[in-house]
Amino acid sequence: DQQVKQNSPSLSVQEGRISILNCDYTNSMFDYFLWYKKYPAEGPTFLISISSIKDKNEDGRFTVFLNKSAKHLSLHIVPSQPGDSAVYFCAASVDSNYQLIWGAGTKLIIKP
Amino acid sequence: ETGVTQSPTHLIKTRGQQVTLRCSSQSGHNTVSWYQQALGQGPQFIFQYYREEENGRGNFPPRFSGLQFPNYSSELNVNALELDDSALYLCASKTSGGAITETQYFGPGTRLLVL
Repeated sequence: DQQVKQNSPSLSVQEGRISILNCDYTNSMFDYFLWYKKYPAEGPTFLISISSIKDKNEDGRFTVFLNKSAKHLSLHIVPSQPGDSAVYFCAASVDSNYQLIWGAGTKLIIKP
Repeated sequence: ETGVTQSPTHLIKTRGQQVTLRCSSQSGHNTVSWYQQALGQGPQFIFQYYREEENGRGNFPPRFSGLQFPNYSSELNVNALELDDSALYLCASKTSGGAITETQYFGPGTRLLVL
């Protein structure tokens, strides 16, 4: 039972263009969402988060959008840079719950 | 550089054996969590330790156990290894025992192969 789904295993984007990574969830109790980035042979690093009381959060080139009615969130990277090539995970949690539920990840490849 | 280290980097064991994986957290981080990441999947939460006591556990059997020490190091022990235990094991540390949604810092992981 996958509560957090990232349906695209990989995504290829031209350098300078927008990268859009998608994530769907099934549990309506989730109220906090995070994106992590992972390079090979390294642990995941926190990128950006959003609370369910918001529908958008922005940090530099990274913006996360949350559509609660559709149970969908997306991560936009503008403009995409070669260093953005990595695996991106979305994760979700229920308020006061200690456990993060993770998606399977999307491998983003930025082409020069 | 997160300051979280794990050892060993790779490990091969046979079914039925026991294994101990180690994690050294950043100084001052009193909370450590362990995750299992199977190939092609996202990390799955195993358990969390806060001030040397387990204070949260995911859907893993009791043969997965842990220890946290006062010097910010911790261990994950797995008994009676099964083939499905083959995975990347990640530890993550942070500064409080509160919600896991606070920023946590991951180590590079230990790749375990069970034959």
